[in-house]
Amino acid sequence: ETGVTQSPTHLIKTRGQQVTLRCSSQSGHNTVSWYQQALGQGPQFIFQYYREEENGRGNFPPRFSGLQFPNYSSELNVNALELDDSALYLCANWDRGFTDTQYFGPGTRLTVL
Amino acid sequence: EDKVVQSPLSLVVHEGDTVTLNCSYEVTNFRSLLWYKQEKKAPTFLFMLTSSGIEKKSGRLSSILDKKELSSILNITATQTGDSAIYLCAVERLGRAQKLVFGQGTRLTINP
Repeated sequence: ETGVTQSPTHLIKTRGQQVTLRCSSQSGHNTVSWYQQALGQGPQFIFQYYREEENGRGNFPPRFSGLQFPNYSSELNVNALELDDSALYLCANWDRGFTDTQYFGPGTRLTVL
Repeated sequence: EDKVVQSPLSLVVHEGDTVTLNCSYEVTNFRSLLWYKQEKKAPTFLFMLTSSGIEKKSGRLSSILDKKELSSILNITATQTGDSAIYLCAVERLGRAQKLVFGQGTRLTINP
């Protein structure tokens, strides 16, 4: 149990729609990263938020955006969904304390039809 | 461009066998290498390696980093069916964001 939760577990959307995925940490870590994992691939870094500011981004277009809230929960928003956006979306908190490890949530499986 | 390559991509062995999974990387500003196990959804942390030549062990699993060869191996001895999973290797880059660059994973299947 990592203490990182995500919602929803899975959802189905159609091309052109918009989606919001959510992530929260029981321990309130102030750094959250989002990753996209397509079928059969390793996760790819989307972006990271630290104290409510984006402080790093991977090779994803601007229609992928995010928010981090004062309670350190986070959202990933994707506009104008495309078929290739179908993937498992993972959020992760980085524990730079005792374990110095990145812990992942269970993920949200997004299917775009 | 940063790259992490794992081999083999898929491996099928019998229970009790020993397996070695490989990971090689070309990443600028290397900070650490991590191994994760992914069974259904969330990757679960196995090891973090920062220093070359120092083996980390946890039960039947062990891992070592070779910074000269830019590679790491993950060993699993006396495999069990519960070890069946995808094993992911990731490299953390130094920088403002704690970005992990992942390999494509090795799918390990342990047959009884």
